[in-house]
Amino acid sequence: GAVVSQHPSRVICKSGTSVKIECRSLDFQATTMFWYRQFPKQSLMLMATSNEGSKATYEQGVEKDKFLINHASLTLSTLTVTSAHPEDSSFYICSALQGAFFSGNTIYFGEGSWLTVV
Amino acid sequence: AQSVTQPDIHITVSEGASLELRCNYSYGATPYLFWYVQSPGQGLQLLLKYFSGDTLVQGIKGFEAEFKRSQSSFNLRKPSVHWSDAAEYFCAVVGNNNDMRFGAGTRLTVKP
Repeated sequence: GAVVSQHPSRVICKSGTSVKIECRSLDFQATTMFWYRQFPKQSLMLMATSNEGSKATYEQGVEKDKFLINHASLTLSTLTVTSAHPEDSSFYICSALQGAFFSGNTIYFGEGSWLTVV
Repeated sequence: AQSVTQPDIHITVSEGASLELRCNYSYGATPYLFWYVQSPGQGLQLLLKYFSGDTLVQGIKGFEAEFKRSQSSFNLRKPSVHWSDAAEYFCAVVGNNNDMRFGAGTRLTVKP
């Protein structure tokens, strides 16, 4: 079964409002979580990396004030799209990692969340 | 930073024919490479991964990939494609910061 859960799987919001997407690791402690964005028929682009208890590290070109990432616990990270606009409509996917990848740990992906801003 | 390139945006093969999807990586150290498949509107499914050891890696659904350091490549192959293999395929690499980066993807169409 899924080890990383995203919620909601689909959400529609009005332009100008904020929407929160949750990413949970179900049976392990995710010391690091990653957020990706995927536009239709495009690749997954890394938005930010978050370590539990620390501020997220954003990729170049990603607005940290628009895409708020919180990783307050070892099993939950949230992505809040603030003042959403239609161009923010996209597929958002999270992934989670316990410990260091190069120590033999696995990166698990969530099922993704479709955001439509109308 | 690490990166992968998938030169083919779209490939069409006939059902039953063999398949090879190309992936080239750029990374200073030994790369950790992955192939994922994504059906429309769905999440990612891991096909296979390479960490070290045998350069020919077997995955699920009859896929395999070969790591060639001299060519900086990690091409995905399947001897006989099924109609259900039609999907988007992504090559990915993990870097020093545990971050996984994806290629642009290759869309596979399977002709009957």
